[in-house]
Amino acid sequence: AQKITQTQPGMFVQEKEAVTLDCTYDTSDQSYGLFWYKQPSSGEMIFLIYQGSYDEQNATEGRYSLNFQKARKSANLVISASQLGDSAMYFCAMREGFNTGGFKTIFGAGTRLFVKA
Amino acid sequence: NAGVTQTPKFQVLKTGQSMTLQCAQDMNHNSMYWYRQDPGMGLRLIYYSASEGTTDKGEVPNGYNVSRLNKREFSLRLESAAPSQTSVYFCASFRGTSSGNTIYFGEGSWLTVV
Repeated sequence: AQKITQTQPGMFVQEKEAVTLDCTYDTSDQSYGLFWYKQPSSGEMIFLIYQGSYDEQNATEGRYSLNFQKARKSANLVISASQLGDSAMYFCAMREGFNTGGFKTIFGAGTRLFVKA
Repeated sequence: NAGVTQTPKFQVLKTGQSMTLQCAQDMNHNSMYWYRQDPGMGLRLIYYSASEGTTDKGEVPNGYNVSRLNKREFSLRLESAAPSQTSVYFCASFRGTSSGNTIYFGEGSWLTVV
């Protein structure tokens, strides 16, 4: 069954330091995709990064990188050089069902990140 | 581009009332979703539509119905609202290309059932 787990309800990081947010997943599909989204206190959902299951290289987008370890079924988000504006809720999500023509996508419970000055 | 547009943005219902949340996207995407987000929690999938004419249950479908009216529009209906359905509802659409996937979200609809 499709499942996403984020085990860190809250994380603190010092400004300018790097932080890793954990995400593990479970699926029986061979083709799937993993996303990270940021939700600031204003409530909108902001796309950060995507990794396909067949992508051999870890995805990177500016200060965000996705540490994809397929055998361990983990897709951790690394934020380098944290900024005060990074304080937000972060969600990991998984899309499966490509082979069946659907794209069912579920989200984890989220990790709240606090960046300290 | 408007992206994903949801209406209404805010709604207060009495227990037992019905209402429909409207969603439209102008990006020609095939797949669309409805999620709910309870305070301090993650997004839970209610229903999704892989393509025009198809709908499937997500994680929490009970108490809801959906209609994929055409490729642009995907509506969510609460037939008999309950206080447990007080939540923020997000509509989203999916773009899949050879270079990657992205899910685009609406701004959310705040629903309170009293």
